[in-house]
Amino acid sequence: AQSVTQPDIHITVSEGASLELRCNYSYGATPYLFWYVQSPGQGLQLLLKYFSGDTLVQGIKGFEAEFKRSQSSFNLRKPSVHWSDAAEYFCAVGAGQGGKLIFGQGTELSVKP
Amino acid sequence: GAVVSQHPSRVICKSGTSVKIECRSLDFQATTMFWYRQFPKQSLMLMATSNEGSKATYEQGVEKDKFLINHASLTLSTLTVTSAHPEDSSFYICSASGTTRSSDTQYFGPGTRLTVL
Repeated sequence: AQSVTQPDIHITVSEGASLELRCNYSYGATPYLFWYVQSPGQGLQLLLKYFSGDTLVQGIKGFEAEFKRSQSSFNLRKPSVHWSDAAEYFCAVGAGQGGKLIFGQGTELSVKP
Repeated sequence: GAVVSQHPSRVICKSGTSVKIECRSLDFQATTMFWYRQFPKQSLMLMATSNEGSKATYEQGVEKDKFLINHASLTLSTLTVTSAHPEDSSFYICSASGTTRSSDTQYFGPGTRLTVL
């Protein structure tokens, strides 16, 4: 069955520290992978996506993610977190071509001064 | 990125009334639109997928007679919650994907907060 797991429900990091949010997926074919961010009471904004090619993808706001097929992972990273990065982060796997997305449970990021 | 709008952003209604939520793709043609429901502190639950000019495909457990979806044009889809009850209170989010923008990526609207009294 297709699934996405984000093991960390809530993470707190200090401003300026590095960040890694974990995402593991289970998908039969080559997955299309996405990271979205959601601020409170808002919709989702696409941070980055991976379909093929270079396994390290760059996104907006200084985020990057690395696709590791052997580990079925697509972890999101940022070298230096800003207070404005505090939000909910969702990893998702999709069938591509406008297909359905399967979302992880989300990771809430808090940033302390 | 592509722009998707939703209207209204918030709605409060009495139990038994119907509420319509609009989802528009502003700068691209959306061949497919998706409707999600999100409970507090939870992930998004896909309710249905709609393709322009076709009937929506509902996920298991979603009542199609309660949540009416219309995708009459390439830029507009509507979700109507019929005979709303307090348990229908939730955050409803639409997304769109299309041919003139990346057909493999969903772009999300800002969401609609529905409160049923």
